[in-house]
Amino acid sequence: KAGVTQTPRYLIKTRGQQVTLSCSPISGHRSVSWYQQTPGQGLQFLFEYFSETQRNKGNFPGRFSGRQFSNSRSEMNVSTLELGDSALYLCASSLGGWSSYEQYFGPGTRLTVT
Amino acid sequence: TQLLEQSPQFLSIQEGENLTVYCNSSSVFSSLQWYRQEPGEGPVLLVTVVTGGEVKKLKRLTFQFGDARKDSSLHITAAQPGDTGLYLCAGGGSARQLTFGSGTQLTVLP
Repeated sequence: KAGVTQTPRYLIKTRGQQVTLSCSPISGHRSVSWYQQTPGQGLQFLFEYFSETQRNKGNFPGRFSGRQFSNSRSEMNVSTLELGDSALYLCASSLGGWSSYEQYFGPGTRLTVT
Repeated sequence: TQLLEQSPQFLSIQEGENLTVYCNSSSVFSSLQWYRQEPGEGPVLLVTVVTGGEVKKLKRLTFQFGDARKDSSLHITAAQPGDTGLYLCAGGGSARQLTFGSGTQLTVLP
């Protein structure tokens, strides 16, 4: 079974621009979560989508948004980029149940904001 | 807010040595997971523990969930260079999302 894929793997953007990241979950997984990983803050939860609906949201500003399509693929958008948005953005998929929370991560998208 | 503290933050040992990584919280978690992340990759799930006092073994790795489900430990016996990586604990709880620890960067020298 193919794993979680993320595109692109690397991105360089300028402050003020916007960016869209894409994630394709493991086949059969209906939940997609997004995380931001930085050396200073570690892994922080952004949001989770399940059946095209945002089911949970972390403490990030409204510049961070996402969506999920009917095939469970998900996109994440960051508008008005700031230098502090430079990070590894990880997507994870799971079957979607509340009980175990087991996440299967993609390789991430490395975003650099200059 | 549920927080998970990992210790130590960095660990550098020689091949063949044993080590233990700790994950502690003041909150109760319904499940506790351990992940390993290598450079340029996403975290890979190693194990999930759900019962207080539960012990799981994965080859040379032993995972334990505290009786009160507030803490966990990862013990590696006879570490090998292939064990090098960032070890992350993550708790599932009332927020219905995973809370990650800050991570332990392990380096095993040949």
